[in-house]
Amino acid sequence: AQRVTQPEKLLSVFKGAPVELKCNYSYSGSPELFWYVQYSRQRLQLLLRHISRESIKGFTADLNKGETSFHLKKPFAQEEDSAMYYCAFLYNQGGKLIFGQGTELSVKP
Amino acid sequence: KAGVTQTPRYLIKTRGQQVTLSCSPISGHRSVSWYQQTPGQGLQFLFEYFSETQRNKGNFPGRFSGRQFSNSRSEMNVSTLELGDSALYLCASSLYGTGGLGNEQFFGPGTRLTVL
Repeated sequence: AQRVTQPEKLLSVFKGAPVELKCNYSYSGSPELFWYVQYSRQRLQLLLRHISRESIKGFTADLNKGETSFHLKKPFAQEEDSAMYYCAFLYNQGGKLIFGQGTELSVKP
Repeated sequence: KAGVTQTPRYLIKTRGQQVTLSCSPISGHRSVSWYQQTPGQGLQFLFEYFSETQRNKGNFPGRFSGRQFSNSRSEMNVSTLELGDSALYLCASSLYGTGGLGNEQFFGPGTRLTVL
């Protein structure tokens, strides 16, 4: 079955440290993957998607089909990056996103 | 452009009752998806509507149903409420629902349903 796994429930780093939020997926075809972010008391919003190959707010994510991973990285974390991050997989080319359990990122001063 | 709106924002019901939640997508968006968010199960897909037709369905019992109107507004209904239905219900809209650049899903603020 298609599945997205985020192994860390909580990731705590100090400001200025590198950050890597892990995401692994299980799917035999060509996936379309996303990272969504939810800041405190705000709605869920798209951070980035693998097909756009952009860097948003300093975050990047590379799709590694061999390792079936889509890890989110940022070289220098900022306190405003503290939020809940969800990796998601678009299923069947329709409006069905399959989400991982989420990783809470806490950036300490 | 106004974002996705959901009404009501909060709802308290008792077991056995039924509830209807409403979602107004971004103007021009034709796909509306619904998700249930709980601390234990996370974000789970309920169903997706496109042009008034259900196009995708998640693994939820038949008590959960939905519909979409010609103006793309959508409603979801839960009948015979159970305690476990307490959750944040999110809807998201996109132009066509499919993948590709420019078809990202925009989420509403959610409706917090509490079943007593």
